[in-house]
Amino acid sequence: DIQMTQSPSSLSASVGDRVIITCRASQSISTYLNWYQQKPGKAPKLLIYAASSLQSGVPSRFSGSGSGTDFTLTISSLQPEDFATYYCQQSYTTLVTFGQGTKLDIK
Amino acid sequence: EVQLVESGGGLVQPGGSLRLSCTGSGFTFSTYRMHWVRQAPGQGMEHVSTISSNGGSSYYADSVKGRFTISRDNSKNTLYLQMGSLRVEDMAVYYCARDPGLTNSWFDFWGQGTLVTVSS
Repeated sequence: DIQMTQSPSSLSASVGDRVIITCRASQSISTYLNWYQQKPGKAPKLLIYAASSLQSGVPSRFSGSGSGTDFTLTISSLQPEDFATYYCQQSYTTLVTFGQGTKLDIK
Repeated sequence: EVQLVESGGGLVQPGGSLRLSCTGSGFTFSTYRMHWVRQAPGQGMEHVSTISSNGGSSYYADSVKGRFTISRDNSKNTLYLQMGSLRVEDMAVYYCARDPGLTNSWFDFWGQGTLVTVSS
């Protein structure tokens, strides 16, 4: 299985901050990397697919980059509704695997 | 509006069985690969199973292989997960998810989830 490791596991930030979350794959996955946002009690929401493509309807303050084994999700200016848990997901293999999550809360 | 609605969760004893359903609307169900993903309480996510758009191919996580069966009825716009020999570690919220990818894969719409509790 391809292991996905996110850092940090938790992060405190303020509204307006620029936040970067990283995700590392245990082997090269090209750009088969997706990012999701999950709020408590809710289903995950797709933010970024194929490493850098913004899902329709997602604000442009979210962006993704990377290829191979190292990837980043950037939120350019945090808004109150962005406080949530973020997961990366590799789709290089048929059965995908997720990172352990990064919980973003208010400082 | 795209919607996925799961049902069928509940309380079951260890060793028991349960069938989950996921009904899609607002899109052409038969053209999408579909998935089941689960999330144990307070934990991360695990991809349980995948089925191709026509139902001809399916894949399972090792943790459920031989115990769970994924299927779909495109005439009813419904995805199923038949779960058997349930274990305490199967307890989780189960989500169905739609996958619009062709050569790639991503989950663009998810159901609200259905809770499976395995306990005696």
